[in-house]
Amino acid sequence: NAGVTQTPKFQVLKTGQSMTLQCAQDMNHNSMYWYRQDPGMGLRLIYYSASEGTTDKGEVPNGYNVSRLNKREFSLRLESAAPSQTSVYFCASSEGRGTPRETQYFGPGTRLLVL
Amino acid sequence: DQQVKQNSPSLSVQEGRISILNCDYTNSMFDYFLWYKKYPAEGPTFLISISSIKDKNEDGRFTVFLNKSAKHLSLHIVPSQPGDSAVYFCAASVRGAQKLVFGQGTRLTINP
Repeated sequence: NAGVTQTPKFQVLKTGQSMTLQCAQDMNHNSMYWYRQDPGMGLRLIYYSASEGTTDKGEVPNGYNVSRLNKREFSLRLESAAPSQTSVYFCASSEGRGTPRETQYFGPGTRLLVL
Repeated sequence: DQQVKQNSPSLSVQEGRISILNCDYTNSMFDYFLWYKKYPAEGPTFLISISSIKDKNEDGRFTVFLNKSAKHLSLHIVPSQPGDSAVYFCAASVRGAQKLVFGQGTRLTINP
């Protein structure tokens, strides 16, 4: 039982390049989330998916797109990377329909550097 | 606009003593609060939570206190152990809202 897995662990991009961060969970959770963590800023919600087939914007969605491929997988895409997107990205999942009272389980993170 | 603030970036405590981590919030609509713990190169893990209808919640060595009038919560760890060295995030949510709002985090170091 791996929980929440993320790939890649680390990535370096040049400005303007695109990439997709992958996330998968094996806990049969309905809700999934993407956060970014920046020094002095805590974790900020980028996008979330309350259930398969639905996605909604969080606090900082600009420059990102997401796809809830199926119940297990939730990907985050950067179409044209910018240095401001240098960050650590965390994927998380929770059991129900996204009520924050549920525990969110986090993946180990993807460290992204945009030059 | 930082709605959840952890004003101490770091805290150092001797092993066996009490660690107190603080968190302030500005949004009076927050009604559920959580603490997460994060080790280096790992994702955050849930530690303890409290609903606004309570003023205290205890789980083993960890106790969270909520002072709604002061819009302040704190996490007490007693006794502190070396394995408690980590970054601690407080988070809050509004009833019915999807997202958690996180504080900046406090790095706790437990010294032997």
